[in-house]
Amino acid sequence: AQTVTQSQPEMSVQEAETVTLSCTYDTSESDYYLFWYKQPPSRQMILVIRQEAYKQQNATENRFSVNFQKAAKSFSLKISDSQLGDAAMYFCAYVGNKLVFGAGTILRVKS
Amino acid sequence: ETGVTQTPRHLVMGMTNKKSLKCEQHLGHNAMYWYKQSAKKPLELMFVYNFKEQTENNSVPSRFSPECPNSSHLFLHLHTLQPEDSALYLCASSFGNNYGYTFGSGTRLTVV
Repeated sequence: AQTVTQSQPEMSVQEAETVTLSCTYDTSESDYYLFWYKQPPSRQMILVIRQEAYKQQNATENRFSVNFQKAAKSFSLKISDSQLGDAAMYFCAYVGNKLVFGAGTILRVKS
Repeated sequence: ETGVTQTPRHLVMGMTNKKSLKCEQHLGHNAMYWYKQSAKKPLELMFVYNFKEQTENNSVPSRFSPECPNSSHLFLHLHTLQPEDSALYLCASSFGNNYGYTFGSGTRLTVV
C-alpha cells in the first residue's frame, strides 16, 4: 500500500522569507502523480502544485516550487517570499490508483 | 468557490437522528469522493463513485450510507452515529487522477 509521510507537524516562517516543507512517500508503482494541497482556516482544500512522476523537471507555480527526488521518493515544497496568506495546513498527496494524503504540516507565518 | 458545493456547512445531530450531507459539482467530473477529516489524523477516504457506480468502500461502518443519483450529485446519509464520528466531512470530485481532486468546503459534523 502507498503511504505518504510528512515529518514536520508544524513549521514557522518569517514573512518574506523562504520555507521548505518535507514529504516522503512509499510506492511500488512507476506511474503516479504528486500534489501539494493547502487548507486554510476556511477549510477549503486548494491545489497548490502538481508533479508528474515521469517528469524530471521540478514543477513551479509562482512562489511555490517543488524538489522532486524520485529515487529517494521525496517531494518537498518550497515557498518563497512567504506571505501572511500562506498560513495554513499543507498536505502532501500521492495519486497512483487512488489518492493518499499525508498527515499535514501546519505553517505559521510571522509578521 | 471551487465548483464543488457542500451543504450544510455545519451540522449538530443526536445519536438517534437521521440526516444527510449533500455534495454537488458542475465541473463535468466523472468521479466523486467522500473523505473524513478528524483532528490530528490523515484524511480518510470513505467512498468513491465513478460514473455513479460505487467503486470503493473503505471499510466504512453501515451507519454511513452513500448515494450517487448522477455524476453531479453525491449524498452521505447518516443514522445512529457515535460521538467519535464527529469530524469534517469533505467531498471531492475529479476527472481521472491526473489533475488532482477539487474539494468542497466540507461539513463540520458534531454528534452529541
